Amino acid sequence: ETGVTQSPTHLIKTRGQQVTLRCSSQSGHNTVSWYQQALGQGPQFIFQYYREEENGRGNFPPRFSGLQFPNYSSELNVNALELDDSALYLCASSLAGASGNEQFFGPGTRLTVL
Amino acid sequence: AQRVTQPEKLLSVFKGAPVELKCNYSYSGSPELFWYVQYSRQRLQLLLRHISRESIKGFTADLNKGETSFHLKKPFAQEEDSAMYYCALTSGANSKLTFGKGITLSVRP
Repeated sequence: ETGVTQSPTHLIKTRGQQVTLRCSSQSGHNTVSWYQQALGQGPQFIFQYYREEENGRGNFPPRFSGLQFPNYSSELNVNALELDDSALYLCASSLAGASGNEQFFGPGTRLTVL
Repeated sequence: AQRVTQPEKLLSVFKGAPVELKCNYSYSGSPELFWYVQYSRQRLQLLLRHISRESIKGFTADLNKGETSFHLKKPFAQEEDSAMYYCALTSGANSKLTFGKGITLSVRP
């Protein structure tokens, strides 16, 4: 069983740039959720994708967007980066309908915006 | 709105001492409650969930709907319990997780 993987591990961008983060879900999972974790805070829900459609969104502006592909992998795109976007971005996968509602987390991508 | 409150940022205890990590929540329906743990240099992982009513690594947590609390307890702390602990809730299946800010547990020898 392959766990959740994310790429890149970390990256540095400047204000105004755009970034794409990638996530491969755990084998057999069909749902991907993205979270932003600022320093000293708990993870905050950005959005979730299920069967290639957005299935719930947190309090994030439209410049945060995503995709899910037929193989259930996912991308998080952030446009017009701001300094406050600096954070650890976590991807979590799960199987819709499975008992327990457990989400399995990836190691995260550390984004620094200068 | 869903909210999870972990009132303390740090708990430092000696090995063998009891541990209680506090978690309070606000939610109008019937939430599912979880504790997630992150050990040093490892990813966030599920420790336990209230619906399972199980004990993992000696930790237990009881959902108190009257006090809207889900405190995590362990009678005798071990050094390997040192980690970051997050309380989280979800409103149902395939639903977003709402996390607290987390608490660092430090167990000294």
